[in-house]
Amino acid sequence: DSGVTQTPKHLITATGQRVTLRCSPRSGDLSVYWYQQSLDQGLQFLIQYYNGEERAKGNILERFSAQQFPDLHSELNLSSLELGDSALYFCASSVTGLDRSPLHFGNGTRLTVT
Amino acid sequence: AQSVTQPDIHITVSEGASLELRCNYSYGATPYLFWYVQSPGQGLQLLLKYFSGDTLVQGIKGFEAEFKRSQSSFNLRKPSVHWSDAAEYFCAVDIMDSSYKLIFGSGTRLLVRP
Repeated sequence: DSGVTQTPKHLITATGQRVTLRCSPRSGDLSVYWYQQSLDQGLQFLIQYYNGEERAKGNILERFSAQQFPDLHSELNLSSLELGDSALYFCASSVTGLDRSPLHFGNGTRLTVT
Repeated sequence: AQSVTQPDIHITVSEGASLELRCNYSYGATPYLFWYVQSPGQGLQLLLKYFSGDTLVQGIKGFEAEFKRSQSSFNLRKPSVHWSDAAEYFCAVDIMDSSYKLIFGSGTRLLVRP
């Protein structure tokens, strides 16, 4: 058990809808990362937060947004969903994200868009 | 641009046989390299990491990896594979721009024959 909790485990929704994925980092970790894993793109870095502030952005679509709350949990919001958004979304956490401490991954949320 | 290449999409080995999974990276500075394993329905678990020093690093579950700067490689090895090692393996390099984040290879799926 990595200590990173993601909910829900599975999500099925229709095109055009909006969903929210939630992540609770390991106790003591201040930095949260979001990754998308799809068959055609592999593991893609989306966005990182550190102590409530956005720290780095990767291949995140404009339809997607995220935030990290004062209690350090994070939410990834996906809107105007398309079939191609179907993927496994991982959250990871690390102590600061400013050093090279390893990332600890949650078990992911599998999103299916129909 | 920084990248990680795992040339083998699938590898099948017999239980008890040795294993080597290939990883090549492209990164201008001294890389920090990682191997993660993803079992079905699970998140990514860190197997081992290379930061500096001894180029042969030991990890969990009997895995080791060797960093070869001249070949830009970080291959993962195990002398005797167990059926429970069947999983997907990801090589990753961490890069620093505004913060540290992992760039992953496309993964190698390991199948173990009884």
